[in-house]
Amino acid sequence: AQSVSQHNHHVILSEAASLELGCNYSYGGTVNLFWYVQYPGQHLQLLLKYFSGDPLVKGIKGFEAEFIKSKFSFNLRKPSVQWSDTAEYFCAVKDFGNEKLTFGTGTRLTIIP
Amino acid sequence: DTAVSQTPKYLVTQMGNDKSIKCEQNLGHDTMYWYKQDSKKFLKIMFSYNNKELIINETVPNRFSPKSPDKAHLNLHINSLELGDSAVYFCASRSSGSAYEQYFGPGTRLTVT
Repeated sequence: AQSVSQHNHHVILSEAASLELGCNYSYGGTVNLFWYVQYPGQHLQLLLKYFSGDPLVKGIKGFEAEFIKSKFSFNLRKPSVQWSDTAEYFCAVKDFGNEKLTFGTGTRLTIIP
Repeated sequence: DTAVSQTPKYLVTQMGNDKSIKCEQNLGHDTMYWYKQDSKKFLKIMFSYNNKELIINETVPNRFSPKSPDKAHLNLHINSLELGDSAVYFCASRSSGSAYEQYFGPGTRLTVT
């Protein structure tokens, strides 16, 4: 069964710092990859997704992620974070032909003004 | 207009009671889901319906019973509530197209005392 690892449980950064959140998945077949964000007290929103093509995917709010198939990774990046990026970030993986979306355990990001 | 709505937003009840959570989406989507988010923010799929048919049924106690009266609604009924059922329950939906993006509701925070 597919599993998703997010090794950073809680990341604390100052504003303007660069961000990279790790995401690794276990099953190496064809996958679709997603990053969702959950702002405090709100529902999950899609940040970006990878289906095929260019492995560098750009999403909303200046976020991007790179799919590295050989490393089973889909890390999320942002060159300069803002206080408003404080949230919980979830990586999710969908195996081809499977309806199910498997989520990682999430990374809590705290930005210090 | 709210795309995916859930009622109630908060639910506090005692052990042994039976309760229902309702979900409605106005996006015209074919597939709907229920997820459970535990106290550590881990999101796990419980059920999925496509056109009123059950397509995903994860290992969930049979005290949980989903019901989909039509494509726009997916309700969750829980019998004999236990302390461990306390969590945030999220409903989600997605279209049948290739752009596999799930839209999440605001969540229902269930507290069992």
